[in-house]
Amino acid sequence: DVKVTQSSRYLVKRTGEKVFLECVQDMDHEKMFWYRQDPGLGLRLIYFSYDVKMKEKGDIPEGYSVSREKKERFSLILESASTNQTSMYLCASSFGGAGMNTEAFFGQGTRLTVV
Amino acid sequence: AQSVTQLGSHVSVSEGALVLLRCNYSSSVPPYLFWYVQYPNQGLQLLLKYTTGATLVKGINGFEAEFKKSETSFHLTKPSAHMSDAAEYFCAVRRYNQGGKLIFGQGTELSVKP
Repeated sequence: DVKVTQSSRYLVKRTGEKVFLECVQDMDHEKMFWYRQDPGLGLRLIYFSYDVKMKEKGDIPEGYSVSREKKERFSLILESASTNQTSMYLCASSFGGAGMNTEAFFGQGTRLTVV
Repeated sequence: AQSVTQLGSHVSVSEGALVLLRCNYSSSVPPYLFWYVQYPNQGLQLLLKYTTGATLVKGINGFEAEFKKSETSFHLTKPSAHMSDAAEYFCAVRRYNQGGKLIFGQGTELSVKP
């Protein structure tokens, strides 16, 4: 079974802190994604990576950055956390190449609260 | 760019009744479409996917979806709802011209009454 593991289920951070959310997948997937989920807004793409050290902005990248130094790991960084970044964060991975018909596999999510 | 719209943020059905969750897509090329389910406090799990070929797609847990090009729709159905189907459901589409980004609709929360 594909496994996507997010380092924390629940996280509480203070305003202004630098926050790291970590995601690891064990299926040698090329593509990895970070989404945030808010009630009524569904999942919105923050960043995605289609290969090591390659990244592209999603629909809401402001206030976030990412790092992909190794194929299996994709980190989301909140440079200076703010209360409007309180949300559920979901990591996903999928095969790359021409695999438009391949699904993404999701982690359990990290519920981040910024106080 | 390809996108999806889910009609109805909340749907409530009685146990044993038909489940119908609506999804319309916007795409100038044949889309790759997906339905995911999210149970409380969990990540997303794939229910089914449409690529090309058969327009009626069967998924897990008795769900199916029909791709209708003329209506630009990909609605999710289940003949008889079960209490365990209560969850949030998301429709999603792959974006061709943006590296295969997976873009989601707003989600529909399904409640099942006994």
